[in-house]
Amino acid sequence: DAGITQSPRHKVTETGTPVTLRCHQTENHRYMYWYRQDPGHGLRLIHYSYGVKDTDKGEVSDGYSVSRSKTEDFLLTLESATSSQTSVYFCAISEQRINYGYTFGSGTRLTVV
Amino acid sequence: DAKTTQPTSMDCAEGRAANLPCNHSTISGNEYVYWYRQIHSQGPQYIIHGLKNNETNEMASLIITEDRKSSTLILPHATLRDTAVYYCIVKKARNSGGSNYKLTFGKGTLLTVNP
Repeated sequence: DAGITQSPRHKVTETGTPVTLRCHQTENHRYMYWYRQDPGHGLRLIHYSYGVKDTDKGEVSDGYSVSRSKTEDFLLTLESATSSQTSVYFCAISEQRINYGYTFGSGTRLTVV
Repeated sequence: DAKTTQPTSMDCAEGRAANLPCNHSTISGNEYVYWYRQIHSQGPQYIIHGLKNNETNEMASLIITEDRKSSTLILPHATLRDTAVYYCIVKKARNSGGSNYKLTFGKGTLLTVNP
């Protein structure tokens, strides 16, 4: 979607290596989120941010860390990738107005071998 | 946030209206109904939302029952490109904390539009 970019789009990495996924927005939205999507589980929230340097855990945060040093960037890091982290990762942004939906990125397909 | 129940799958003929139901019997007074869809391999896309009045935009219409315990998303003239998983989500819209802005996705309804 316009205004939100995820990189890389695809990545293959080896077990035990660190991996960082990047979400970049140009909308100046306060809230940013990382989700993962797996067959049979749907979309699950990993971490989210409600401002620069303000982050919190979602429902499946183990093995992941995040950082947000500026409004436009939200980084998701897998400190030591495992095969169970093979998934499609989506970033989303939102704003605090009442009637506003979330905007999702196009996703990053990560394969850990 | 209230839980929602949707059928697992539905079929619709191209050009006909697609009516996707959602039950949310435990919805509270300050919770909105949101609809998103996810076309294969893409990120979810916001469609529409409402509180208690029916809503319409360029993509769809949302009909919410008077008791707000269920709603229906209507795609008036479905096309093959509308084939997707449709998610009905109920959540509070205005909150002071960041955690209340989380979206919780269920399994959704796979709508298949047939030629």
